[in-house]
Amino acid sequence: RKEVEQDPGPFNVPEGATVAFNCTYSNSASQSFFWYRQDCRKEPKLLMSVYSSGNEDGRFTAQLNRASQYISLLIRDSKLSDSATYLCVVTVFSGGYNKLIFGAGTRLAVHP
Amino acid sequence: GAVVSQHPSWVICKSGTSVKIECRSLDFQATTMFWYRQFPKQSLMLMATSNEGSKATYEQGVEKDKFLINHASLTLSTLTVTSAHPEDSSFYICSARPRDRENQPQHFGDGTRLSIL
Repeated sequence: RKEVEQDPGPFNVPEGATVAFNCTYSNSASQSFFWYRQDCRKEPKLLMSVYSSGNEDGRFTAQLNRASQYISLLIRDSKLSDSATYLCVVTVFSGGYNKLIFGAGTRLAVHP
Repeated sequence: GAVVSQHPSWVICKSGTSVKIECRSLDFQATTMFWYRQFPKQSLMLMATSNEGSKATYEQGVEKDKFLINHASLTLSTLTVTSAHPEDSSFYICSARPRDRENQPQHFGDGTRLSIL
């Protein structure tokens, strides 16, 4: 079983749509949670951290459910520029370090 | 904000060549840097943790004699892919965070796309 699982997509949505991504993680000792965005052939860029209380950044809302080991990302009013792969990431303390464990990503394609 | 520079961004070379990739933190010091590899349509996989002034820590399944890591200063880590073969072709990315900032997200380099012919 993968440590971080995501639906690979692709999600093809029109501009203005609302889209939701889900992610589950297997290690209950995971400490921190993030969503990263990765454009084709580029490095991942931090989109937002995820907290149990839920957090919002403009059109983006992230939610964490520790009991279910489930993380979500909601994008409202999708823009063409939102097209990318969204990576669900957790940190695990291992070998003396906080290590990032990446999901394989969910692809989003926003069309006019 | 914190910036991590990676060089080169693209390498194409013959099988058997050794390739060195540099990762620099430009405006902060990093005791620890991380090296990842990403194959097409797959997750970034942590290869090793680079430690300034000491040996790197390798993840299970990663050959330390194949992937040599040197962290000579608080701003530079290098990954050398020795005697590279086509199966080593991948996207290699480093990351770092400012030292004594364990709770901050890591900053990623631009990545190096390695193609072995």
